Amino acid sequence: QSALTQPPSASGSPGQSVTISCTGTSSDVGAYNYVSWYQQHPGKAPKLMILEVNRRPSGVPDRFSGSKSGNTASLTISGLQAEDEADYYCTSRADSNPYVFGTGTKVTVL
Amino acid sequence: QVQLQESGPGLVKPSGTLSLTCAVSGASVSNAHWWCWVRQSPGKGLEWIGEVYHSGTTTYNPSLKSRVTISLDKSKNQFSLNLSSVTAADTAVYYCGRSSGFYAIDYWGQGTLVTVSS
Repeated sequence: QSALTQPPSASGSPGQSVTISCTGTSSDVGAYNYVSWYQQHPGKAPKLMILEVNRRPSGVPDRFSGSKSGNTASLTISGLQAEDEADYYCTSRADSNPYVFGTGTKVTVL
Repeated sequence: QVQLQESGPGLVKPSGTLSLTCAVSGASVSNAHWWCWVRQSPGKGLEWIGEVYHSGTTTYNPSLKSRVTISLDKSKNQFSLNLSSVTAADTAVYYCGRSSGFYAIDYWGQGTLVTVSS
């Protein structure tokens, strides 16, 4: 099972929006509405930001939103803040695996 | 508040077995949840290793399945990972976690670095 494809990096100025894509196949992202997104700051454990494509866990700001179209899922961070600078990983249920992770995207706040 | 804490040797010799334990507080491993292990090689992305259900049912990453065993210890409210025949490629930070039931890991341990070296 190959990793899901994410852009290595994304950036934006404070207050702007940034969107990260997560591309899979018809055996994972395209087949299931079980796409999640995680934020990871350096040296820290990942933190769940989005589950089931577009559902935010309690405590996650509504600046974070998720969507999916076909085999590609997306995470949008609106109103970018300095503390949003981190690595972001998507994951999806897959035919062969409960979890296939994305390659990760480093978000930089300019 | 659910908390998870990994423990185990930080150094394992090549061809040996990596053994880690995850102690759980604020929740019971006997209740309905999946308890999982994820690893992250230095400077790399995340890789799901496998998980165990409260019933003891397990699911493993096919790429690691032949070397992995995950088990529950309900009396100690913890679960464990054994990874056999390790090589340098198994050097990573190992995280334990709890699945929310929607194929999302909602609680994570802080992670523990395991280095495979002679």
